[in-house]
Amino acid sequence: KNQVEQSPQSLIILEGKNCTLQCNYTVSPFSNLRWYKQDTGRGPVSLTIMTFSENTKSNGRYTATLDADTKQSSLHITASQLSDSASYICVVSGAGTASKLTFGTGTRLQVTL
Amino acid sequence: DSGVTQTPKHLITATGQRVTLRCSPRSGDLSVYWYQQSLDQGLQFLIQYYNGEERAKGNILERFSAQQFPDLHSELNLSSLELGDSALYFCASSAYSDSRHADTQYFGPGTRLTVL
Repeated sequence: KNQVEQSPQSLIILEGKNCTLQCNYTVSPFSNLRWYKQDTGRGPVSLTIMTFSENTKSNGRYTATLDADTKQSSLHITASQLSDSASYICVVSGAGTASKLTFGTGTRLQVTL
Repeated sequence: DSGVTQTPKHLITATGQRVTLRCSPRSGDLSVYWYQQSLDQGLQFLIQYYNGEERAKGNILERFSAQQFPDLHSELNLSSLELGDSALYFCASSAYSDSRHADTQYFGPGTRLTVL
């Protein structure tokens, strides 16, 4: 069964600190992996999309890594800001003929003063 | 602003009723996806349309149906509503027909449905 697991479930950090969110998946065969940021009550916003051949991709202070061999990805947030408080969702697309997106349940990040 | 519009923003109705949610994709996007997000739950994929045709089906109940019109807007119909159908319903659009293409899905602001 295709699954995407994220850790931690929730995280509280001080403004200015860095943090790393984890995503492990079992989706096979693999096509691409996406990270989304979702503010409470709003639609998710795409941060990065990585295919099999990509190891790392950055979007400003967000850097995603992918290890397709171990089926793991991480999202690193540098110099966190209060506006980074949100849920971060890892989504994996398989490469099968009836490909669908498999969503993780997200990591809820709170950045405090 | 993602360019995806959804109406209405809020909807309050009673059990047993039927409602229609509307989505207009970004200009040029041919795919429309529907998702359900219950309180403190993850996003659940419901259904995808591409250029008017059903492309993929997720965990969509038989009481729910959708369609995509020639102008590419889409409607999600929810009938015989139950309390458990209360949720945020998101629409997303993308250019391609298949999530295997690493193209971005742009999400709308959502419709919050409350069933009393």
